[in-house]
Amino acid sequence: EAQVTQNPRYLITVTGKKLTVTCSQNMNHEYMSWYRQDPGLGLRQIYYSMNVEVTDKGDVPEGYKVSRKEKRNFPLILESPSPNQTSLYFCASRHPGGNTEAFFGQGTRLTVV
Amino acid sequence: GQNIDQPTEMTATEGAIVQINCTYQTSGFNGLFWYQQHAGEAPTFLSYNVLDGLEEKGRFSSFLSRSKGYSYLLLKELQMKDSASYLCAVTSGGYNKLIFGAGTRLAVHP
Repeated sequence: EAQVTQNPRYLITVTGKKLTVTCSQNMNHEYMSWYRQDPGLGLRQIYYSMNVEVTDKGDVPEGYKVSRKEKRNFPLILESPSPNQTSLYFCASRHPGGNTEAFFGQGTRLTVV
Repeated sequence: GQNIDQPTEMTATEGAIVQINCTYQTSGFNGLFWYQQHAGEAPTFLSYNVLDGLEEKGRFSSFLSRSKGYSYLLLKELQMKDSASYLCAVTSGGYNKLIFGAGTRLAVHP
């Protein structure tokens, strides 16, 4: 089954404690992205990757890091989480091209206290 | 700059028709998507428009006017399960970056 898998689904952590949210896709997609979703603001892109070892900042990259060592995986790293990073996070993947739909992971609800 | 506008909330009655509008301003426009998102769940693809006109897909249709920077999603024969947020998104630029509007929360009442 074609899918994007994120883990964990839910996470409560404390300020400053490094964490990683994993994302894996089995569709051989070149493009992968991370979004955060906050009430009233919609989905905002954090980072994106066009292929292995090719990543770039999205609209809200501060406080986040990513890596793309393999085509299927695109982890999101919060080196020192802060309460303003409490949000719902989605990973997405798609093929290149303006007409290709994005497939989303199930989401990770992160709370930083 | 890039901007996508949608109404924040709409309500409708079961069995009725509802139209959700989306206006956009973006450089290098390539195409427009509509996604459906139930609360706390992942967005799922509904439709894609690249040329002007109406695309019909069962109870859902989507319209695009590139010259006006305008799209709408039309939902017919509304069902309670259609209560969800509807996200308008465009792809633009060389990378075909996917940019989302804030979404329209639709509540369907009996």
